[in-house]
Amino acid sequence: AQSVAQPEDQVNVAEGNPLTVKCTYSVSGNPYLFWYVQYPNRGLQFLLKYITGDNLVKGSYGFEAEFNKSQTSFHLKKPSALVSDSALYFCAVTNDYKLSFGAGTTVTVRA
Amino acid sequence: SAVISQKPSRDICQRGTSLTIQCQVDSQVTMMFWYRQQPGQSLTLIATANQGSEATYESGFVIDKFPISRPNLTFSTLTVSNMSPEDSSIYLCSVLTGGNEQFFGPGTRLTVL
Repeated sequence: AQSVAQPEDQVNVAEGNPLTVKCTYSVSGNPYLFWYVQYPNRGLQFLLKYITGDNLVKGSYGFEAEFNKSQTSFHLKKPSALVSDSALYFCAVTNDYKLSFGAGTTVTVRA
Repeated sequence: SAVISQKPSRDICQRGTSLTIQCQVDSQVTMMFWYRQQPGQSLTLIATANQGSEATYESGFVIDKFPISRPNLTFSTLTVSNMSPEDSSIYLCSVLTGGNEQFFGPGTRLTVL
């Protein structure tokens, strides 16, 4: 069985401050890890993935995530948040192709 | 990446009726999936739509309730049958690309009265 935990329902930051959204996972074998973002009344947009290789992966809109095997974590980060980053963020894991999603974290960036 | 469209984008339906949702991709893909996102919740995989054979359903989802067709490598439909208010959700299709990413359609927002 595979699962994802996003321990924070909400994250609030001021514009210009660093943003971190936490994710831990459980999966058999080598994990494939993903971050998606969902804006209101819109579909899911792919942000970034970890399949293999460098533990630090860079994605769209200035986001990056660090894979930590020992802590089974894949936290999403952005050095300087924008108001437009306010959205619902999902972490997902698989070891084949069936994605399991976390509950989601609502990010609010205040001006 | 892949460009995915879904029809309808939203619908309001009466209890006991059925709705068929269409998913169209701009390129041929091997694997297509259907997910459900219940109000305020995360996404749950319903089934894998297999081209030329029956869909593979996840635990808790059955073919009689969610029949799926996959007539070719760019198109799939999901039918929500004999609907009840509990079926009110966003239904999303996704495709798996060569880079192991899944790209999602815009979703179909279903409200059952």
